Amino acid sequence: GAVVSQHPSWVICKSGTSVKIECRSLDFQATTMFWYRQFPKQSLMLMATSNEGSKATYEQGVEKDKFLINHASLTLSTLTVTSAHPEDSSFYICSATGGEGYFTEAFFGQGTRLTVV
Amino acid sequence: GNSVTQMEGPVTLSEEAFLTINCTYTATGYPSLFWYVQYPGEGLQLLLKATKADDKGSNKGFEATYRKETTSFHLEKGSVQVSDSAVYFCALNRDDKIIFGKGTRLHILP
Repeated sequence: GAVVSQHPSWVICKSGTSVKIECRSLDFQATTMFWYRQFPKQSLMLMATSNEGSKATYEQGVEKDKFLINHASLTLSTLTVTSAHPEDSSFYICSATGGEGYFTEAFFGQGTRLTVV
Repeated sequence: GNSVTQMEGPVTLSEEAFLTINCTYTATGYPSLFWYVQYPGEGLQLLLKATKADDKGSNKGFEATYRKETTSFHLEKGSVQVSDSAVYFCALNRDDKIIFGKGTRLHILP
């Protein structure tokens, strides 16, 4: 199946700094990538949808200026958490759809655990 | 709007027991339906899917049938193992957006 790689797997940063998380589709071209946030023992909350070469579409309640998403190529999307605060600590997961033929399913990265201290 | 409702957990079963995790959906048209599994500390893996009514998805002993008349996609397994302990998410794909249920945590006791 298609592989999505997310990096880093975990990161600890100081409050006020910015952190970038990468999401790559390794063996297919991802026309659409999604970013989710997952709180402990809870479901995934969709943060935004990004299409290659265009601006991301953010879900209601998600701060665009805080969670910067860039989908510069068909194989890479990045999420930058700017001026991180402890409440931004969470598990962030990306997923991707697209490729030859029509993918009705999404393929997920392994997730990034962010801890802001 | 589109939504997915699944039974709340945690669900605790003994090894070799029969498993059912209920999932119902609300959607316009005919969405594709999925079950994803998340093992501790990991991302999500697709467990099975069904793209049209009456389709049955199956994988690793798990099965789910797309029931349009009851808008359901219940997950079943005849004999669970300790290694099946994980969180299971029911989801639908509509307009290229994946909508997840809240997840059901499954504990299998040896």
